[in-house]
Amino acid sequence: DTEVTQTPKHLVMGMTNKKSLKCEQHMGHRAMYWYKQKAKKPPELMFVYSYEKLSINESVPSRFSPECPNSSLLNLHLHALQPEDSALYLCASSQDGDTEQYFGPGTRLTVT
Amino acid sequence: GQQLNQSPQSMFIQEGEDVSMNCTSSSIFNTWLWYKQDPGEGPVLLIALYKAGELTSNGRLTAQFGITRKDSFLNISASIPSDVGIYFCAGEYGSSNTGKLIFGQGTTLQVKP
Repeated sequence: DTEVTQTPKHLVMGMTNKKSLKCEQHMGHRAMYWYKQKAKKPPELMFVYSYEKLSINESVPSRFSPECPNSSLLNLHLHALQPEDSALYLCASSQDGDTEQYFGPGTRLTVT
Repeated sequence: GQQLNQSPQSMFIQEGEDVSMNCTSSSIFNTWLWYKQDPGEGPVLLIALYKAGELTSNGRLTAQFGITRKDSFLNISASIPSDVGIYFCAGEYGSSNTGKLIFGQGTTLQVKP
């Protein structure tokens, strides 16, 4: 199994809502990542988890809250988002310390 | 911060033609990766390069890690319609194993049947 899965595929939420994005991998990878991607732009790194611990936070606003319940799962909790947060949110994983990152299909988020 | 200059920004070619794109940096990179992204999907890893001068193929795709370690090239031979998409280079520089990749701005490829 070489797949990273993400749910939901699409999400529309209001600025006062609380929602969560989910990511799962069964490749035994120990590093997991959240990226944000705007249309026709490269992915922008948000968070890195290594061995279930947050190792990098790229100065992301606190309305985005990551969580890594175990080595296979990664969540991104969303609260009080702004319309400019609308984007494709990508999850990726890699062997710890390995540069090769494998991406999921993404969640298309629209904030109204 | 570090930047990767990827060119060309876009290409519109005829089916069957060969394609070449590249990424350059002012800094030395330890690793170069090439990804392809279809609309509405996540990037898919095509080729990973780890040594200066390394030349690696994946089907009709060939990529090279530049000798200076500041650039990389991706060539696609005999393009077909399903090659359409955005191609991103990415690299890791400085201290390794941080998980931080720097991405190029992407090359949008369109193939005319």
